Amino acid sequence: GAVVSQHPSWVICKSGTSVKIECRSLDFQATTMFWYRQFPKQSLMLMATSNEGSKATYEQGVEKDKFLINHASLTLSTLTVTSAHPEDSSFYICSAPTIYSYNEQFFGPGTRLTVL
Amino acid sequence: SQQGEEDPQALSIQEGENATMNCSYKTSINNLQWYRQNSGRGLVHLILIRSNEREKHSGRLRVTLDTSKKSSSLLITASRAADTASYFCATVDSGTYKYIFGTGTRLKVLA
Repeated sequence: GAVVSQHPSWVICKSGTSVKIECRSLDFQATTMFWYRQFPKQSLMLMATSNEGSKATYEQGVEKDKFLINHASLTLSTLTVTSAHPEDSSFYICSAPTIYSYNEQFFGPGTRLTVL
Repeated sequence: SQQGEEDPQALSIQEGENATMNCSYKTSINNLQWYRQNSGRGLVHLILIRSNEREKHSGRLRVTLDTSKKSSSLLITASRAADTASYFCATVDSGTYKYIFGTGTRLKVLA
């Protein structure tokens, strides 16, 4: 089956720094990728839709200047958390549908971000 | 919020018993999927049921879908301690293809 990877799997950073998280589709091309955030003991909430070659679209309440998304190629989307604060500490997960079906998406293993 | 609701929020059962969790959703869907998530880990896809299906089986899993009530249930039979995890339903919005996750059920199976 299709595989989506994320890097890093976990990261610890200081307040005020920026952190970049990568999401890669390893064996298929993805013109669209989705980014989710999950706080402890809560569900996944969609943050934004990453579109290859164009601007990302953000869900209501998500600051686009804080969560920068770049979808530079058909296999890579990056999420940069800028000027991170402790409240940004969360589990970030990406997903990607194949070009054949948007109804079935493949999820990355997630990135645990801890901001001190 | 478009987020679906799941109940119960938490469920604790003995090994060998069956576990049933329910999901209600709000939008029109193409399909509904169930995922498992072990603590601090990624999602594991369990089963997908299409909007024109009413019931689906996979091993010890049985999923039902009632589109008229906008609800689904996941039954895990003969539960094992290894089934301990959080379970989420997810619907795919038929217009935007966005995944909308339910609030989740935390299942604990006691050995």
